[in-house]
Amino acid sequence: DGGITQSPKYLFRKEGQNVTLSCEQNLNHDAMYWYRQDPGQGLRLIYYSQIVNDFQKGDIAEGYSVSREKKESFPLTVTSAQKNPTAFYLCASSIRGGANYGYTFGSGTRLTVV
Amino acid sequence: EDQVTQSPEALRLQEGESSSLNCSYTVSGLRGLFWYRQDPGKGPEFLFTLYSAGEEKEKERLKATLTKKESFLHITAPKPEDSATYLCAVQAGSEKLVFGKGTKLTVNP
Repeated sequence: DGGITQSPKYLFRKEGQNVTLSCEQNLNHDAMYWYRQDPGQGLRLIYYSQIVNDFQKGDIAEGYSVSREKKESFPLTVTSAQKNPTAFYLCASSIRGGANYGYTFGSGTRLTVV
Repeated sequence: EDQVTQSPEALRLQEGESSSLNCSYTVSGLRGLFWYRQDPGKGPEFLFTLYSAGEEKEKERLKATLTKKESFLHITAPKPEDSATYLCAVQAGSEKLVFGKGTKLTVNP
């Protein structure tokens, strides 16, 4: 079945450490997105990519980095520069130019700073 | 700046008690309004897309409607399994969706 796979489901980060969240899709979607969800805040866009080897900053990109070397993959790195990384991270994809058809979301990664 | 406001933040209903969730928005050139359902600890699940004022869509006990300034998600005779957070999002000129903060619905048996 087609879908989006996020891993790991739970991730713990030590102070000063970089961590990478994985997002893979087999829907043949062109566009992929990373959102952060905090209690009472809704979903906020971190980065998005409409085609391979190209990506744009969202509303809260500071302290994060991404790459898009393959159509199927859009990993997110949470760097040590992100001072408050504890949150629920959601990856999504859509047909390019077709957000009208709705995003498909992964099941999320919960990141906790220890 | 595109904005989406959902109300109420939380809603408790008894099983069978119908109600509505509101999503008001301010955007320049609405391309689509989306409703999602999110269960705790999971990713949002797509429900509906509405494109123009006057449009309506239904799925089981849910019915979404759209005006020029807001959308309603009507829940008819809800069941406990309808308990979830319902998210509203809009798309304007870009590929991005802008989300509201959601309405947490609890349906008691």
